[in-house]
Amino acid sequence: GAVVSQHPSRVICKSGTSVKIECRSLDFQATTMFWYRQFPKQSLMLMATSNEGSKATYEQGVEKDKFLINHASLTLSTLTVTSAHPEDSSFYICSARGSSTFIAKNIQYFGAGTRLSVL
Amino acid sequence: DAKTTQPNSMESNEEEPVHLPCNHSTISGTDYIHWYRQLPSQGPEYVIHGLTSNVNNRMASLAIAEDRKSSTLILHRATLRDAAVYYCILRGANFGNEKLTFGTGTRLTIIP
Repeated sequence: GAVVSQHPSRVICKSGTSVKIECRSLDFQATTMFWYRQFPKQSLMLMATSNEGSKATYEQGVEKDKFLINHASLTLSTLTVTSAHPEDSSFYICSARGSSTFIAKNIQYFGAGTRLSVL
Repeated sequence: DAKTTQPNSMESNEEEPVHLPCNHSTISGTDYIHWYRQLPSQGPEYVIHGLTSNVNNRMASLAIAEDRKSSTLILHRATLRDAAVYYCILRGANFGNEKLTFGTGTRLTIIP
């Protein structure tokens, strides 16, 4: 099946620093990528949807200036948490979906997640 | 978004079949029924999806009620590695920026 690689798997940073998380589709072109956040014992919450070459669409309540998303190529999207604070500590997960011609276009493939801890 | 209802938790013995139910009484005619599962500390993993007919793949089977208001994910022979949270999600048919809305899912515990 299709593979989505997410890096880093875990990051610990000081309050006020910025953290960048990468999400790559390894064997398919991802026209759309999604970023989720998951707090302990809760379900996944969609943060934003990004299409290659255009601005991301953020869900209500998600600060676009704090969570910067770049989807510059068909295989890479990045999420930067700017000026991270302890309340931003969470499990961040990306997913990718192939183009309309991709054989599995209706399926989202997820990365393994990034656990962010802000001290 | 049309919502789904799943039991919070279920238990099953190892090597026995598991039937995970999902109710979606407000499903529209074009909504697909998707199942994903999330193992501890990992991202979700696609399991199966269908529209009207029952579906089988190497991981599981999906039985869809004739009125499409409910469905059942069937794991034919549960192993300890199947312990996860299983999410039943409805997804629109139009290819575009459609998103997956995760509910609370069913936490499946496998008893050795």
